Amino acid sequence: ETGVTQTPRHLVMGMTNKKSLKCEQHLGHNAMYWYKQSAKKPLELMFVYNFKEQTENNSVPSRFSPECPNSSHLFLHLHTLQPEDSALYLCASSQAGGRELFFGEGSRLTVL
Amino acid sequence: AQSVTQLGSHVSVSEGALVLLRCNYSSSVPPYLFWYVQYPNQGLQLLLKYTSAATLVKGINGFEAEFKKSETSFHLTKPSAHMSDAAEYFCAVLTGTASKLTFGTGTRLQVTL
Repeated sequence: ETGVTQTPRHLVMGMTNKKSLKCEQHLGHNAMYWYKQSAKKPLELMFVYNFKEQTENNSVPSRFSPECPNSSHLFLHLHTLQPEDSALYLCASSQAGGRELFFGEGSRLTVL
Repeated sequence: AQSVTQLGSHVSVSEGALVLLRCNYSSSVPPYLFWYVQYPNQGLQLLLKYTSAATLVKGINGFEAEFKKSETSFHLTKPSAHMSDAAEYFCAVLTGTASKLTFGTGTRLQVTL
């Protein structure tokens, strides 16, 4: 139990589907992150939220749409994805301005 | 700018043997350094971190790492490998807040009987 819970753990979707990934943290943190982990590549930071406000978007395609309704919840809405978007999506949290990330167990996404 | 290089994408050791996973970093300012472990089908778990205090850092599961500024290295070691150590290990460097964490490409550790 890491204190960061991601659902679903596995998701298969077609290119025309709309789905969402959910992340919830129980650590009292106020910064949340989405990372993409693909085979043979370093972890890629996608989005950062501090106190519910998006503070970083690392040139992520608009088919990925994040939402952070409060400091404990983070969503990643997925729409018209491509097969190359298949990856493990990791959510993490930290104290705002902190230096240590706490990761969830990830959501394995397969786009057919 | 900061970067981290992990030498060897795969390392195989026998159970009971020394584990050595290499990490070199590049940073224009004194860095914070981290090692994370990822077991199959799980997220990343912090093993240990260097935050400018002691240069020899002890972590969980018997792992430790030594910060060597002159060599810009932060290699991870464990005296005696256990089968349960089989996982992927990521080195990361940080020179600001957590959003500036830069990860290496990872080293997969295999432990054989």
